[in-house]
Amino acid sequence: QVQLQESGPGLVKPSQTLSLTCTMSGDSISTGSYYYNWIRQPAGKGLEWIGRVYSDGNPNYNPSLKSRVTISVDTSKNQFSLKVTSVTAADMGFYFCATEHFDWFDAWGEGILVTVSS
Amino acid sequence: QSVLTQPPSASGTPGQRVAISCSGSTSNIGSITVNWYQHLPGTAPKLLIFNYNQRPAGVPDRFSGSKSGTSASLAISGLQSEDEAVYYCAAWDDSLDVWLFGGGTKLTVL
Repeated sequence: QVQLQESGPGLVKPSQTLSLTCTMSGDSISTGSYYYNWIRQPAGKGLEWIGRVYSDGNPNYNPSLKSRVTISVDTSKNQFSLKVTSVTAADMGFYFCATEHFDWFDAWGEGILVTVSS
Repeated sequence: QSVLTQPPSASGTPGQRVAISCSGSTSNIGSITVNWYQHLPGTAPKLLIFNYNQRPAGVPDRFSGSKSGTSASLAISGLQSEDEAVYYCAAWDDSLDVWLFGGGTKLTVL
């Protein structure tokens, strides 16, 4: 059974870059036919899809965030990562990683709270 | 504002049946699968229904999903206090090439 765990700084300064990592256990990123997704829940709002990367490294991004987001895979560490540049208070909230094996998100991490403050 | 529209709240008493709607368009619900997630604050969202009406192992048959045209619905029968959560519908949009979530429906068990 796939398990996911997010990690990274919980506090980021405005205008800086948010960097998060999702570590997968229970399967290999390099051999699994998954999409690896990042989803967030801005403070007081609902879920928002940020983007995904396929196991071959090919990404898709939400157009609303595309200019600031990079999602990549590190097969040597069985991890995938998220970078969001030029963060503002609007980027505060919970960030979740999730796998997508077919057409649904089948495994989720517990989430990590990100605060943007100087 | 979400492209998938859900009512912000729903409520019922224990034992009742509650339905939550999700309205979309031909480029998402109308052509692609719809999934439902249950989310409790501080926890990971949980897949409740996939492919409109399929339940993952471990999800009680009190939960059921359906679709008609460009709308989908999640029904919960025999309501229990532990069903109190926020429920989200989600669908891939073929025109926008994005995963869309509904705004979420907070279910209160009175």
